[in-house]
Amino acid sequence: KAGVTQTPRYLIKTRGQQVTLSCSPISGHRSVSWYQQTPGQGLQFLFEYFSETQRNKGNFPGRFSGRQFSNSRSEMNVSTLELGDSALYLCASSLGWGQGGYEQFFGPGTRLTVL
Amino acid sequence: QKEVEQDPGPLSVPEGAIVSLNCTYSNSAFQYFMWYRQYSRKGPELLMYTYSSGNKEDGRFTAQVDKSSKYISLFIRDSQPSDSATYLCAMNSGGSNYKLTFGKGTLLTVNP
Repeated sequence: KAGVTQTPRYLIKTRGQQVTLSCSPISGHRSVSWYQQTPGQGLQFLFEYFSETQRNKGNFPGRFSGRQFSNSRSEMNVSTLELGDSALYLCASSLGWGQGGYEQFFGPGTRLTVL
Repeated sequence: QKEVEQDPGPLSVPEGAIVSLNCTYSNSAFQYFMWYRQYSRKGPELLMYTYSSGNKEDGRFTAQVDKSSKYISLFIRDSQPSDSATYLCAMNSGGSNYKLTFGKGTLLTVNP
């Protein structure tokens, strides 16, 4: 079974630009979560989507948004980029229901550098 | 007080040693507990997934959860140089909440 895939793997942007990251979950998984990982803050939860609906949201500004498509693929968008947005952005997929639904499998991440 | 505390290390052990990694937490609602391994510049890899208190074993890895003490552990037996990575604990309260709360990670080096 193929794992979680994320594209692109690396991105370099400048302040003020916007960026869109993409995630394809494991086949059969309906939940996609996004996390930001930085050396200072560690892994922080951005949001989670299930069946095209945002079900959970973390404490990030509105510049961070996401969506999920009917095939469970998800995108996240960051507008008006700031230097502090430089991070590894990780996508995780899970079943999203039942007791095993909290088991999350991560993709390789997209490393975003904001100059 | 952070919700999840994890000693960042670094931890350095000789090959073949038993490694003990730990996390403490403050939120008594947590009931799902996970351990991830993350190699440098890679995504986290799920090692162990447990529900509520108790032990779970998978090969050289054993996860323990003590909800009364709000303390979880991961033991690695017969450690190998390939185990050198950052180990992250993660927790979730279940219900409609699918957010994982992570510890900061412990950097482990296993020396040949």
